[in-house]
Order: sequence, then C-alpha cells, then structure tokens
Amino acid sequence: DGGITQSPKYLFRKEGQNVTLSCEQNLNHDAMYWYRQDPGQGLRLIYYSQIVNDFQKGDIAEGYSVSREKKESFPLTVTSAQKNPTAFYLCASKSDSLIPGSGELFFGEGSRLTVL
Amino acid sequence: AQSVTQLDSHVSVSEGTPVLLRCNYSSSYSPSLFWYVQHPNKGLQLLLKYTSAATLVKGINGFEAEFKKSETSFHLTKPSAHMSDAAEYFCVVSDQQTGANNLFFGTGTRLTVIP
Repeated sequence: DGGITQSPKYLFRKEGQNVTLSCEQNLNHDAMYWYRQDPGQGLRLIYYSQIVNDFQKGDIAEGYSVSREKKESFPLTVTSAQKNPTAFYLCASKSDSLIPGSGELFFGEGSRLTVL
Repeated sequence: AQSVTQLDSHVSVSEGTPVLLRCNYSSSYSPSLFWYVQHPNKGLQLLLKYTSAATLVKGINGFEAEFKKSETSFHLTKPSAHMSDAAEYFCVVSDQQTGANNLFFGTGTRLTVIP
C-alpha cells in the first residue's frame, strides 16, 4: 500500500541529545513537509521540501534540521538547540495537481517525542 | 494574506444529531479549501476538498461542506453524528495564485459525540 511511514512512533530523549525522526513515502510525491503539533495550537510548519536536494524553512525552523537526498525520504533532526522539543511531529507529502495549491496532503501516523 | 479561523475549539453533539463545524477563511486569491480529521495519536486524513468546482463538496463518512464566497466560509456538516466521528477536525486553506507550499491550518475543533 502507498503511504507515509514515520518512525519511531514514540521517542524519549535526554536534554542535550540530538534525535532524528524518519519519514519515508512511496507515493512518488515531490513535496514533503514536517509539522509540529502542540495541544491547542494546531499544526505549525517546521520545514518543507519541494524537490530532492532542496528545502525551505517554515515558521518554526529554529533548533531543527532536515535533508532531502532522496525523493522518498525527508528525515528531521531535533537538535539540542530546540528549547522545547516535547511535541507530536507529523510528516506529510503533497500530491501533484494541475490547479496550483489544490494538491492534498498525505500524513504519516506521527512521532511523539518526549524530553526527559 | 491567508488565514483560517475555526470558530469553535470544541463542539459536543449527541449521537444521531447533526454536526456543524464552522470555518471562515481569508485569501487574496481563489482558494483551495480542505477539511482533515485526526483521531487521537494519529495522522490527519483528508475528509474533503474544494478547488473551484462545485460549491457543495461531498466527502468521506457522510460529511459535506459548502463553499460560500460571499460569507468566506467553508463549514463542515453531517446529518447524523456517529460515535466514530469523535476526533479533531482541521480546516485548511491554500492559495491557488501562489501555488502555496505553505498550507494554512486552523487551530482545530474537537468534536465530542455523546451516546
């Protein structure tokens, strides 16, 4: 089945450690996204990538880094510089569309990061 | 500039009664509008989308939404709520003019269904 696979589903980190969240898609989509979700705040965009080897900062990129070396993969690293990393992280890809902006997002099941 | 306002953070309905989740948007150009549903600790799933075709859009699980340009609204409705509808719902706007890669999310409406 086609879709987005995120791993791990749950992750615990000590303060000062970097962690990497995996996101893999087999939908052949060019665009991929990382969102952070906190209770009562909806989704906030961390980074997005429109094509391989290219990515842009979103609204809350500080303390995060990404890479896009393959079309299928868009890993997110939460660095020790991120002051409040405990959150639910969602990866998505967007379908191509003839009408700009009308492609729909396909989401993974999310990764819940807890800093101890 | 684009923005989305979900007018209710929490809606509670009895099973079998109608559901109305309200969404107002602001967009400089012709928008695409989406409703997504999220069950606890899960990713989001598309319910339906509007992309300048028919103003009444039918989605999955019996949901539908009507695009009203004059009211800048895209409210989500369902005639009869089911227990499985209990979830968080997000309204999203995308600007067709810019082919925006930033999709603007509302803050969500939590739907509770009372047996």
